[in-house]
Amino acid sequence: KNEVEQSPQNLTAQEGEFITINCSYSVGISALHWLQQHPGGGIVSLFMLSSGKKKHGRLIATINIQEKHSSLHITASHPRDSAVYICAGLYGGSQGNLIFGKGTKLSVKP
Amino acid sequence: DAGVTQSPTHLIKTRGQQVTLRCSPKSGHDTVSWYQQALGQGPQFIFQYYEEEERQRGNFPDRFSGHQFPNYSSELNVNALLLGDSALYLCASSAQGHLYEQYFGPGTRLTVT
Repeated sequence: KNEVEQSPQNLTAQEGEFITINCSYSVGISALHWLQQHPGGGIVSLFMLSSGKKKHGRLIATINIQEKHSSLHITASHPRDSAVYICAGLYGGSQGNLIFGKGTKLSVKP
Repeated sequence: DAGVTQSPTHLIKTRGQQVTLRCSPKSGHDTVSWYQQALGQGPQFIFQYYEEEERQRGNFPDRFSGHQFPNYSSELNVNALLLGDSALYLCASSAQGHLYEQYFGPGTRLTVT
């Protein structure tokens, strides 16, 4: 069964803290997404990666294919980073579909 | 570029009724995927449309059906609504061969009473 698991489920941080969200997945993914979902529902794609590391502003995503593990880091966190962060694995290659984790609810306090 | 658009944003229906949700993909995209997100859960894949045909389907009953039009827009139909169908329905578009780059719409919040 294709699975994607995230941890932690909930995370509260103080403004300025370094944040890490973890994602583990079963075999067979060809790429992994990190997504951000704000209250109200809209989903924004942050990163898509199949190897290595990507950085955008204060966000960094890494993936270790051998260990089937990915992390999303937020440096110098800010209250506007408060959202649900979801990782999703693309299974099935070029005709695949996304299997989502349950999400990590992040709350950054001022 | 308007990105992925969905309509309506919110919808309230009664058990047993039928509902149609609509999605317009991002310009240049030809593949539309639909997801259901129950409260507090991650999205679940419903189905994917390409070339006006359902190409893949998740574990959803036949009450869930769809359609893709020649302009690549898509509809999700749900018949005989159940209370458990209350969820956020998300549409994502992508280009054939680039399914890892899925762009999501804002979603339609369906409430079944």
